[in-house]
Amino acid sequence: EAQVTQNPRYLITVTGKKLTVTCSQNMNHEYMSWYRQDPGLGLRQIYYSMNVEVTDKGDVPEGYKVSRKEKRNFPLILESPSPNQTSLYFCASSPRSVDPYNEQFFGPGTRLTVL
Amino acid sequence: AQSVAQPEDQVNVAEGNPLTVKCTYSVSGNPYLFWYVQYPNRGLQFLLKYITGDNLVKGSYGFEAEFNKSQTSFHLKKPSALVSDSALYFCAVSAASGGSYIPTFGRGTSLIVHP
Repeated sequence: EAQVTQNPRYLITVTGKKLTVTCSQNMNHEYMSWYRQDPGLGLRQIYYSMNVEVTDKGDVPEGYKVSRKEKRNFPLILESPSPNQTSLYFCASSPRSVDPYNEQFFGPGTRLTVL
Repeated sequence: AQSVAQPEDQVNVAEGNPLTVKCTYSVSGNPYLFWYVQYPNRGLQFLLKYITGDNLVKGSYGFEAEFNKSQTSFHLKKPSALVSDSALYFCAVSAASGGSYIPTFGRGTSLIVHP
């Protein structure tokens, strides 16, 4: 089944404790991205990647890191989480960023709470 | 820069009545427009898209959307609402950013269908 998977689905952590949220897709998509969803603010893009070893900042990149060493994986890293990073996080992928008509495929989401 | 506006945070409609969820956009160049739906505790799912051609686009679950270039709108519609249509709906536009196309999402509209 074609899908985007994220792990963990739920995470409660404490301020300053480094964490990684994994994202993997099995559709051979070139483009992957991370979003956070907060009430009243909709979806905001954190980082995106147009292909392996090519990443760029989205609208709200502060406090986050990403890497794209393999085509299928795009982990989101919080080096020192803070309470304002408590949010619902989504990973998404699409076939190619150079094609404007591709829809995004979303993962199920990761609900992160930073105490 | 491209942008998407969803002017209503919430839309209420009675089951069996027609529904409309509004979206307006601003892009330079050709617009590529999308609607996504998010059910509770789920990731976003693609509903439909406008690329070119017929201004009325049909999508999943009986939804359709009307593209209006002069009003820069892409409203989502359904002739007869179901309680199960209650969800969060996002409009998105894909527009050129350098050599790629990066999607921009609206803030979302909560659709509530009353029995």
